[in-house]
Amino acid sequence: AQSVAQPEDQVNVAEGNPLTVKCTYSVSGNPYLFWYVQYPNRGLQFLLKYITGDNLVKGSYGFEAEFNKSQTSFHLKKPSALVSDSALYFCAVSPSYGGSQGNLIFGKGTKLSVKP
Amino acid sequence: DAGVIQSPRHEVTEMGQEVTLRCKPISGHDYLFWYRQTMMRGLELLIYFNNNVPIDDSGMPEDRFSAKMPNASFSTLKIQPSEPRDSAVYFCASSLSSQAFFGQGTRLTVV
Repeated sequence: AQSVAQPEDQVNVAEGNPLTVKCTYSVSGNPYLFWYVQYPNRGLQFLLKYITGDNLVKGSYGFEAEFNKSQTSFHLKKPSALVSDSALYFCAVSPSYGGSQGNLIFGKGTKLSVKP
Repeated sequence: DAGVIQSPRHEVTEMGQEVTLRCKPISGHDYLFWYRQTMMRGLELLIYFNNNVPIDDSGMPEDRFSAKMPNASFSTLKIQPSEPRDSAVYFCASSLSSQAFFGQGTRLTVV
């Protein structure tokens, strides 16, 4: 079965410190990988995606993610966290069927809390 | 483009009533998705369309749920009859290539 796992329900980081939000996936073939962020009472906003190419992907707001095929992981990272980064983060995967997106399978989300 | 537009933003209804949620995707997008978000189950894909045709509705929880996409610019998700356990935030999303854009969601409360 295809799935996405975010092993941490919550990640707490001090402002200015690096942050990592973990994601592993189980999908056949070569999936497309995504990170989305959700602020309170808002919809999901796209952060970044991996389709092919360089394993390190840079996205919005200084975030980046590293694709590791052998570990089937796609961890989200930021060198220096801001209080305004506090939000709910979702990892998602889409099976790449002939280039079309298909559906997005989401992890359960990780709440990031950045303290001053 | 104004993005994906959902209406209403909030809906409170009594158990047994019919509820219709509406979505206007981004113009030109060929995929449309309906998701449901709850604390217990997270984000669940209910159904998605490609070029107005339903592709996968395996996530629709029961026959009480139905979704339509009569044209490229409009979709509805209907619950009839509604039950308290349907209370959730329902998101619509659309995409053209590999990136989905989400609406603000409809918060449904069934009392």
